[in-house]
Amino acid sequence: ILNVEQSPQSLHVQEGDSTNFTCSFPSSNFYALHWYRWETAKSPEALFVMTLNGDEKKKGRISATLNTKEGYSYLYIKGSQPEDSATYLCASQGGDYKLSFGAGTTVTVRA
Amino acid sequence: GAVVSQHPSWVICKSGTSVKIECRSLDFQATTMFWYRQFPKQSLMLMATSNEGSKATYEQGVEKDKFLINHASLTLSTLTVTSAHPEDSSFYICSASRDLYNEQFFGPGTRLTVL
Repeated sequence: ILNVEQSPQSLHVQEGDSTNFTCSFPSSNFYALHWYRWETAKSPEALFVMTLNGDEKKKGRISATLNTKEGYSYLYIKGSQPEDSATYLCASQGGDYKLSFGAGTTVTVRA
Repeated sequence: GAVVSQHPSWVICKSGTSVKIECRSLDFQATTMFWYRQFPKQSLMLMATSNEGSKATYEQGVEKDKFLINHASLTLSTLTVTSAHPEDSSFYICSASRDLYNEQFFGPGTRLTVL
């Protein structure tokens, strides 16, 4: 199980503002980095899977970047909306199949 | 994406009783299912990996005799917490995958409270 850290633990953002947060993971023996969006009482929903250094993925107003050499990934939310309020989880996948999760960043968008 | 259900969504039981949690893949065949546990303010921690028709592989520190896992079909895995104690109170969540390295689809989780 890998040591994956997310920061900040929580953040509040005004509707319409953009925000970003970080996931750091061990850079050795790296296979893939996963981002999930998890709303209360629902199933975690897969956002992105990234494998290559420099990967950038985008889904609507949400995007993510990956730096495998230094072991970090950023998730960006552009023009935050109340429906973006959720906990965002990252998980690193090493040489085996297992996912090691961070504790998540809880985003609250204020109208 | 694929849909995974989990039942029950929450359960309260007395210390010493056993509790069974079901995880179902509703629209695909899941060769592999995973069980995770999350304590408050901590990350999801993998407990065990189960492959259909074979014994589960447990992570270090997880008692296999306490957390019984059955993956008898390609759409159903069950986790039974035997002789539950208050320290077993936690959030249990499963995921299902078409194979070991494929994308994992998560259920909504089960909140277990042991009195």
